[in-house]
Order: sequence, then C-alpha cells, then structure tokens
Amino acid sequence: QVQLQESGPGLVKPSETLSLTCTVSGGSISSSVYYWGWIRQPPGRGLDWIGSIYYSGNTYYNPSLKSRVTISVDTSKNQFSLKLNSVTAADTAVYYCARHGTGYYGWFDPWGQGTLVTVSS
Amino acid sequence: EIVLTQSPGTLSLSPGERATLSCRASQSVSNTYLAWYQQKPGQAPRLLIYGASSRATGIPDRFSGSGSGTDFTLTISRLEPEDFAVYYCQQYGSSRTFGQGTKVEIK
Repeated sequence: QVQLQESGPGLVKPSETLSLTCTVSGGSISSSVYYWGWIRQPPGRGLDWIGSIYYSGNTYYNPSLKSRVTISVDTSKNQFSLKLNSVTAADTAVYYCARHGTGYYGWFDPWGQGTLVTVSS
Repeated sequence: EIVLTQSPGTLSLSPGERATLSCRASQSVSNTYLAWYQQKPGQAPRLLIYGASSRATGIPDRFSGSGSGTDFTLTISRLEPEDFAVYYCQQYGSSRTFGQGTKVEIK
C-alpha cells in the first residue's frame, strides 16, 4: 500500500523559500499511471491545489501560484519536492502531498499526513 | 478556473439523520470528474467518492454521490457518530479546484 510522508522545516522567514519533500513508500514514483501533487490548507480554511508532477518531470501548477512554485522529482530516492519562494504570512498552512491519476482517475488518494509550515520572523 | 461552491456552510444534524450536501460548479465539470473527501480535525482528507458517484475502497454504502454538469450532491443516509466532519468536493476535469467545505456538526 502506497504511503506518502512530507518533511521539511516547520518555520520559514518572510521573503525566503519554503522547501518540502514528499517521500513515497510502498510503490514506485516512476509509475506511468500517476501524478504526484502538493495541496495546502491555511489554518481553519479550505484546500488549495498547488501543483503536480509526473515522474518524467512534466509539471503543471495552479495559475495563482505558478510564478513562485517549483516542483521537482527524484526518482532514485522515490521523492518529489516543493519550493515556494518569496513567502509571506499568507503561505502559512498545512502542506499535503498526494497521488493522483489522469483523466477519470484524477482524484487525490492517498494523502500524506501533512506538515505545518509557519511563515514568521 | 472552475469555482466550486458548497452549501450549506454548516449542517447541524443528529445521529441517524440524513445529510444532503451540495456542490455547485461555476461551469460544467467534464465527464463527472468530481470527488468528495471527508476531513476530521488534525487529519488529512480521505477520499469518499470519485467520478461523482463511485465509492472509494472501504467507504460505507451510507455515503452516496450523484449529479452531473454543474450540480453535485453527497448524501449520507444515516449519520453515524464518526461522520461528523468537514466535507470537500473537488473537480479534476479542468485543472484541479476544491470547494470551501461543508461542516457537518452534531445538533
């Protein structure tokens, strides 16, 4: 059974870059069937998709965040990563990684447990 | 971008009652590419329904989804104590967007 686990700093200073990694276990990130995505949830608020990546490196992003986001993949480590630059307090959120398919199979499942990132000086 | 609007914001019901949650899209969702998730405090969302009406693995049959086009519904036929949570809809027909959530609380 595939499991995902987020890791990275829980505190980032304003204007700096938020960096998180998602480690996939129980399955290969190089599956031709799936994309790997990042979703965030500000405290007390709803879910917001950030972007997704295919094992080949093909990416697509939420247009509202595209200018600040980079998602990359390391197939040798079965990991994918998120970088969000020029962060502000508005980027404080629980960040989740999740797997999704394409077309009809585009739902997110499974999800990582999430990691809280606070932007503060 | 397809905007999903969920209603009501909060639903106050008693165990055993029927819950009906609505998700309305700002434009038609391609091919019923709509999912529903349940989220409990401190937990990641859990997939309940995909393709608007198909239950995910292990999801009890008291959960059902319906709808097409711009109007979708999640129904919980008889609320169990563990069903009180926040529910989100999500479309994956055009990029990916989530609704703002409906909280089902104990009356």
